Amino acid sequence: AQKITQTQPGMFVQEKEAVTLDCTYDTSDPSYGLFWYKQPSSGEMIFLIYQGSYDQQNATEGRYSLNFQKARKSANLVISASQLGDSAMYFCAMRATGNQFYFGTGTSLTVIP
Amino acid sequence: DVKVTQSSRYLVKRTGEKVFLECVQDMDHENMFWYRQDPGLGLRLIYFSYDVKMKEKGDIPEGYSVSREKKERFSLILESASTNQTSMYLCASRPLRVSREQYFGPGTRLTVT
Repeated sequence: AQKITQTQPGMFVQEKEAVTLDCTYDTSDPSYGLFWYKQPSSGEMIFLIYQGSYDQQNATEGRYSLNFQKARKSANLVISASQLGDSAMYFCAMRATGNQFYFGTGTSLTVIP
Repeated sequence: DVKVTQSSRYLVKRTGEKVFLECVQDMDHENMFWYRQDPGLGLRLIYFSYDVKMKEKGDIPEGYSVSREKKERFSLILESASTNQTSMYLCASRPLRVSREQYFGPGTRLTVT
């Protein structure tokens, strides 16, 4: 079965600190993709970062990096130097065979000044 | 810029009404998706379409149907709306290339009374 698990319903981080949002996945497909999206209170879904199952290097996009541990089936999002504008809901998602996407339940991040 | 538009931001309907939610994308994407988002449950896939007139059931298709007569338009239909279909509905599209993310519309908040 394809599944994404985010075990942290809510997280707090001090401004300028780094934070890690956890994501584990379950799939038997050899080829898959992992995505992180941000959803601010305005509601739009913003794509942050992508990691392919065959990628050797961890993906990075500015202050975002994806800590991909294939053997552990984890794809944690690391946000460095948190900013107030990072306060939002964060979703981990997996694209599996057949182009279906599976989403986690999300983590609500609050950045404290 | 890819643009995904949804016909309404807010919609209020009565129980038993037939409801149409429209989604249009302007980037010639092959894949289109309909999700519902509920607090604590994340995004759950209702239906997706990988090409014109092609559709696949997602995780929660019961009570919904879809139509894709043209590549740019994907409609979600609630044949007989019920109160448990009160939710945020998100449409997304993406091209076929495996590493590409989904692009989301702004969402439709549907209330069924």
